[in-house]
Order: sequence, then structure tokens, then C-alpha cells
Amino acid sequence: ETGVTQTPRHLVMGMTNKKSLKCEQHLGHNAMYWYKQSAKKPLELMFVYNFKEQTENNSVPSRFSPECPNSSHLFLHLHTLQPEDSALYLCASSQWRQPQHFGDGTRLSIL
Amino acid sequence: GQNIDQPTEMTATEGAIVQINCTYQTSGFNGLFWYQQHAGEAPTFLSYNVLDGLEEKGRFSSFLSRSKGYSYLLLKELQMKDSASYLCAVKPDSWGKLQFGAGTQVVVTP
Repeated sequence: ETGVTQTPRHLVMGMTNKKSLKCEQHLGHNAMYWYKQSAKKPLELMFVYNFKEQTENNSVPSRFSPECPNSSHLFLHLHTLQPEDSALYLCASSQWRQPQHFGDGTRLSIL
Repeated sequence: GQNIDQPTEMTATEGAIVQINCTYQTSGFNGLFWYQQHAGEAPTFLSYNVLDGLEEKGRFSSFLSRSKGYSYLLLKELQMKDSASYLCAVKPDSWGKLQFGAGTQVVVTP
């Protein structure tokens, strides 16, 4: 139990589908993050939310749309994705400026 | 540009010591983190350095030299379960974001 739960663990979708990734943290943290992890590449920060407000959008294409309804939940809405978007998507949370705690990720495959 | 460089892979035998180096060039510096990631699992926090010197935590130690843009993670008395990817990450500013290296895959052999 990492304290950060991501669902689903695996997702296969076509390029025209719409799906959402969910992240929930049970640690009482006030910041949440989305990262993309591709094989042999560094973890890439996508979005940062601090107290439900988005404080960072790292030039992410609009086909990825984050939502943070409260400080415990974070979503990543996906639509019309491309094959190069296939990756592991990791959610993390932290107290602001403290070490981040990661979920196990969602393995996304785009057909 | 911003770079965080670490070796791709290292192999060592059980009981030995391995040192994973990380060099960084970032727009700013507000701390350096090391994470461990087993295949198919979440990265887990190992250590944090913000001042120069050595931080020791059991079998793991991490060193930082800010003037050289350099850190290392030292793993002592290696165990088979230490086989994993080790990620170096820099916090470039006082905000929450981290910039990661590509990770070093450590393989521990019997």
C-alpha cells in the first residue's frame, strides 16, 4: 500500500476513444502531480496541482486534460491520443516542497 | 539546456558496494532526490540532499557537491532485492516540480 492509488493499472485504447485515469491519495498531502514515463527516458512532469489549483502545465498537448476536484483526487482525461502517447503514467503527491510519493502507475497502450 | 545524467546500467555482486553517479546542469537548484523503482512498481523515495556532504541511511548513503553539480548514491552490502532502477531528480526551484534523470538499472548477481 503506497498511499497513492491509481486506476486502472492497465489500459488499452484506440486513437478515437475517450478515457480517464484516476489517482487518489490517502496521505493528507496538498500537492498532486502527473508524470509520463517512457522506456529508457526520464520521467517527464506533465501537470502540478497545489491546493487544487494547477501551478504547472509542462507544454502538454491538449489531448491530455487534467482535473483536480479536491486535494485527494486527480484525474487525467484522454482523447484522440497518438501511438507515441503509449507509456506509464504516474501520479504522485506530496506536502508542498516535500518528497513526492508515487502510485504504481497506469500502463497505457494506444492502438 | 537542462541535463541530468546518470549511467544506464551497473552490475555488481551480492554483498558488494555500488556507487551510482549523477551529474546535473539545471536552471536552479533547490535539492536533489534519489528514488528506487522496481519493475512495474512505483518509484519510492530514498534520500534527499540540499547541502553539500554525505547523508547516511542504513545501507544507503547519498552525497552532494553543489559546486560540481554532482551527486552519488552508495549502496552497501548489496542484496538481490536491490536490483532496480535508481532515479536521480533535481528540484530546480522552490516549487514542487522535479526533473529526473533517465535512471540507472542496477543488476545484482549472486
